[in-house]
Amino acid sequence: EPEVTQTPSHQVTQMGQEVILRCVPISNHLYFYWYRQILGQKVEFLVSFYNNEISEKSEIFDDQFSVERPDGSNFTLKIRSTKLEDSAMYFCASSVERGAYEQYFGPGTRLTVT
Amino acid sequence: KQEVTQIPAALSVPEGENLVLNCSFTDSAIYNLQWFRQDPGKGLTSLLLIQSSQREQTSGRLNASLDKSSGRSTLYIAASQPGDSATYLCAVGRTSGSRLTFGEGTQLTVNP
Repeated sequence: EPEVTQTPSHQVTQMGQEVILRCVPISNHLYFYWYRQILGQKVEFLVSFYNNEISEKSEIFDDQFSVERPDGSNFTLKIRSTKLEDSAMYFCASSVERGAYEQYFGPGTRLTVT
Repeated sequence: KQEVTQIPAALSVPEGENLVLNCSFTDSAIYNLQWFRQDPGKGLTSLLLIQSSQREQTSGRLNASLDKSSGRSTLYIAASQPGDSATYLCAVGRTSGSRLTFGEGTQLTVNP
């Protein structure tokens, strides 16, 4: 069964460093999303991407964040200068662009900023 | 702004019991509602999706219902098993392809 994959599973970085989180969405999906979950808190939406552009973003997704689809299969989230409060589990999701728009989530990348 | 609330926050039941998890949302103008399962430290597994025009969806021992006008959904789990122990999340989408807004989840423990 097709699934969303994410790499790495765990990333440790120092405050102020840049990180890139990678995702491979399900191959026939055209909507892509990033969410995050700070330990013990709700899953929060960051950004959605469709037709090679951002379709929606939350107030969390400020200038420190960017997304890119560098090729036909990868979808990345970049954090330019990490802060301690960026420590969280980051989830990628994808959906088809018709019908129920069911979102399928990847296993997540645990980002730890020290 | 959409707010999603799940009750109870935690639930512990003996194996074999039927149970109901509740989800409420403040804005009834939704496109769909998804129920997810999350195991500790893991990703989200989609269990059921209900579109706004539907009243319920079933998958195996799971049944999800939606009352859009009252802003409520329930997830019914029949004959619970220890393997059902996890956190169950409810999330709503406002339009096609839009963000999901999540509740805080119900942590379920099924005791053998």
